[in-house]
Amino acid sequence: EAGVAQSPRYKIIEKRQSVAFWCNPISGHATLYWYQQILGQGPKLLIQFQNNGVVDDSQLPKDRFSAERLKGVDSTLKIQPAKLEDSAVYLCASSLVPSGIYEQYFGPGTRLTVT
Amino acid sequence: AQKITQTQPGMFVQEKEAVTLDCTYDTSDPSYGLFWYKQPSSGEMIFLIYQGSYDQQNATEGRYSLNFQKARKSANLVISASQLGDSAMYFCAMREGPVQGAQKLVFGQGTRLTINP
Repeated sequence: EAGVAQSPRYKIIEKRQSVAFWCNPISGHATLYWYQQILGQGPKLLIQFQNNGVVDDSQLPKDRFSAERLKGVDSTLKIQPAKLEDSAVYLCASSLVPSGIYEQYFGPGTRLTVT
Repeated sequence: AQKITQTQPGMFVQEKEAVTLDCTYDTSDPSYGLFWYKQPSSGEMIFLIYQGSYDQQNATEGRYSLNFQKARKSANLVISASQLGDSAMYFCAMREGPVQGAQKLVFGQGTRLTINP
């Protein structure tokens, strides 16, 4: 079974530029999550999708971050315009159902550096 | 607000020794779940073990066991017979949210474990 795929793995941009990350979850997983992991910290949930719909985006900085999950499969996370403090690893995860006892499976992450 | 506390920023252990990674949590919900994840230098988060708040017995998965002390609100991870490949960051996380609704994981700050040969 293929794992969660993410691209690109690394991205360097200048502040005020825009960037987009892509995630393909494990086949059949209805729930998809985007996390932001700043160096030295644990991951922080940005947004959670259940199929096509958003179930939690309370910690997503909506003035600059946006995310979509078309057709309930792939998802993209966009930052526009980027700030220096957006430098982090962006992790995508998926689970069969909203996590109860079911673990979330994580992708390798995209490391973003904003200069 | 729920939170997870991992008080050990770094741990150094000799190969083949057992190691305990501490995790305390704070919640007022009677139903919750606790997870441990391993994050090697490659960056991917790897699920290790899960403990539900109503589980009567401590969870075990191979060399991993969870020392769950509900009254003390602690969920320490025990790794027996440590191996060099165990060197990584370890995160404790708690599920919050209604069982039948939208749930999310809240992570601690992590503990960096280094296994010395």
